[in-house]
Amino acid sequence: GAVVSQHPSRVICKSGTSVKIECRSLDFQATTMFWYRQFPKQSLMLMATSNEGSKATYEQGVEKDKFLINHASLTLSTLTVTSAHPEDSSFYICSAVEGSGANVLTFGAGSRLTVL
Amino acid sequence: AQSVTQPDIHITVSEGASLELRCNYSYGATPYLFWYVQSPGQGLQLLLKYFSGDTLVQGIKGFEAEFKRSQSSFNLRKPSVHWSDAAEYFCAVGGSSGNTPLVFGKGTRLSVIA
Repeated sequence: GAVVSQHPSRVICKSGTSVKIECRSLDFQATTMFWYRQFPKQSLMLMATSNEGSKATYEQGVEKDKFLINHASLTLSTLTVTSAHPEDSSFYICSAVEGSGANVLTFGAGSRLTVL
Repeated sequence: AQSVTQPDIHITVSEGASLELRCNYSYGATPYLFWYVQSPGQGLQLLLKYFSGDTLVQGIKGFEAEFKRSQSSFNLRKPSVHWSDAAEYFCAVGGSSGNTPLVFGKGTRLSVIA
């Protein structure tokens, strides 16, 4: 079945630094990937829709300059948290749609970011 | 607006007992409905999905869900719960387009006791 790989699974960084999270579709091409954020014991909130070869579409309230998304190829999307602060600490999950038509999302295992 | 409501934040069941997790949705078009399970610190695993056809869908790990359009519900059921089923369960709704993101409910945490 479809597999989405996320890296790193855990990252700890100092406040003010930038962190890049990668999301790869391993055995399929994904023209669209979605980035979600999950606070502890809460649901997944959509941050942005990443489209290959074009700018990402951000949800209301998500700072596009803080959360940079790049979808340079059909198998890779990256989320860069710039100038991270402790309030950016969260669980970030990416997902991708396999194939055309059916809207079945495959999720990565998530990346836990801790900003000190 | 699209939304998903999972009324139960936390449910505790005994091992071997039956389970039903509730999900109600609001969606302007024909909904595609999903149930995902998440273990602590892990990503989401798809349990089952409903697109069309038979309103009772079977999923992995012995789960099933029934789509009831008149009630805007998509409740998840399992006849006999195992201790390994303890996890967070999310109901989600989306559209038919592959470019449509899913909207998730707040989740229901399932605890299983001996």
